[in-house]
Amino acid sequence: DTGVSQNPRHKITKRGQNVTFRCDPISEHNRLYWYRQTLGQGPEFLTYFQNEAQLEKSRLLSDRFSAERPKGSFSTLEIQRTEQGDSAMYLCASSRSGVLGGQYFGPGTRLTVT
Amino acid sequence: DQQVKQNSPSLSVQEGRISILNCDYTNSMFDYFLWYKKYPAEGPTFLISISSIKDKNEDGRFTVFLNKSAKHLSLHIVPSQPGDSAVYFCAASRGQLRQGGSEKLVFGKGTKLTVNP
Repeated sequence: DTGVSQNPRHKITKRGQNVTFRCDPISEHNRLYWYRQTLGQGPEFLTYFQNEAQLEKSRLLSDRFSAERPKGSFSTLEIQRTEQGDSAMYLCASSRSGVLGGQYFGPGTRLTVT
Repeated sequence: DQQVKQNSPSLSVQEGRISILNCDYTNSMFDYFLWYKKYPAEGPTFLISISSIKDKNEDGRFTVFLNKSAKHLSLHIVPSQPGDSAVYFCAASRGQLRQGGSEKLVFGKGTKLTVNP
């Protein structure tokens, strides 16, 4: 299967710790997106890349959040000094150019901050 | 400010009948619309999309209708099958990157569809 993969699938951490998530997109896709989803809500946009360039960041992405896509392939999302409000499902998606072809989502990383 | 609204949290239909899922949006700058379905413990799965220059797009059992003047779109599933039971999300985008737009998707809160055998 050559879909989008995310690791880890689950992460439990204590408040104040740093966490890092990884996303491996579909290989021929040059766009990569990060979203966050909480219970009862739709996914909320965080940031996206075209190749290695970060093109847009949401206001939701405070200075504790940083994302990279160093070689235009996989991406990492780091959260520093985690807070309980960071508990959510973090979703990664990838796409070729254009919107109409859809963004293809991975299974997500569920973060629980205790 | 919820720019994409799915006002029905849930919908229940009988197998074989039509399912109609509705979505309203407030931002007139949106010009691409997509539907996703999501099963528990999985990421959303892309179903179908439509550009604002069209009013209908069909793919197998799925048809999306767009009414730009009413800022409303709907997803029709005919015939509905028990495997269609999932949460359905409507999403919108302000345009293509190469046209100076943004390809980020703005999602509604979802509608949980249950198809009863």
